[in-house]
Amino acid sequence: DAKTTQPPSMDCAEGRAANLPCNHSTISGNEYVYWYRQIHSQGPQYIIHGLKNNETNEMASLIITEDRKSSTLILPHATLRDTAVYYCIDTNAGKSTFGDGTTLTVKP
Amino acid sequence: ETGVTQSPTHLIKTRGQQVTLRCSSQSGHNTVSWYQQALGQGPQFIFQYYREEENGRGNFPPRFSGLQFPNYSSELNVNALELDDSALYLCASSLEPERADTQYFGPGTRLTVL
Repeated sequence: DAKTTQPPSMDCAEGRAANLPCNHSTISGNEYVYWYRQIHSQGPQYIIHGLKNNETNEMASLIITEDRKSSTLILPHATLRDTAVYYCIDTNAGKSTFGDGTTLTVKP
Repeated sequence: ETGVTQSPTHLIKTRGQQVTLRCSSQSGHNTVSWYQQALGQGPQFIFQYYREEENGRGNFPPRFSGLQFPNYSSELNVNALELDDSALYLCASSLEPERADTQYFGPGTRLTVL
């Protein structure tokens, strides 16, 4: 069973920031938080990951709470091509089962 | 494009048959994980191979088996197919089975069991 919980769906206006929350209250000290997204039954695509500190790359930012029990993925300027299912997982060496993710719909 | 390829892209089998799915990892990656994704659900971890040895297994019966070859390509074999085995099967390669282990997914094989 997945160890993370996410809202099933969210909408975002094109050009605005999309903030996707994730609860991982059972995360252990050596597990990383990873975010992937999946567009229409293609293979999931890596977005970003972190352990304790906030992270930023060219795709997104990741904010992890101090107690590490939750995180937020931020897409700073969402585009229509960001419409996808977004998964967060807490993983140790890539052996995690994904939850059902959040379906993000970016609207014009 | 991740450099991970899978074959075939689609496959139709009947109940009770056996199937072999193939995955070619990204260059330099010696770890491969296989996932089953039913319609409308997230990927479920089947097992992982590291340097040709099984390195962890999810909650799947023994009729799901795998192999990893010296060139780090791999196979997923499923025996005695059941209707519920219909799903998208994904493989993902990574550098090493470390704690921080970014996985690069292939496009998947869509298996339909009739």
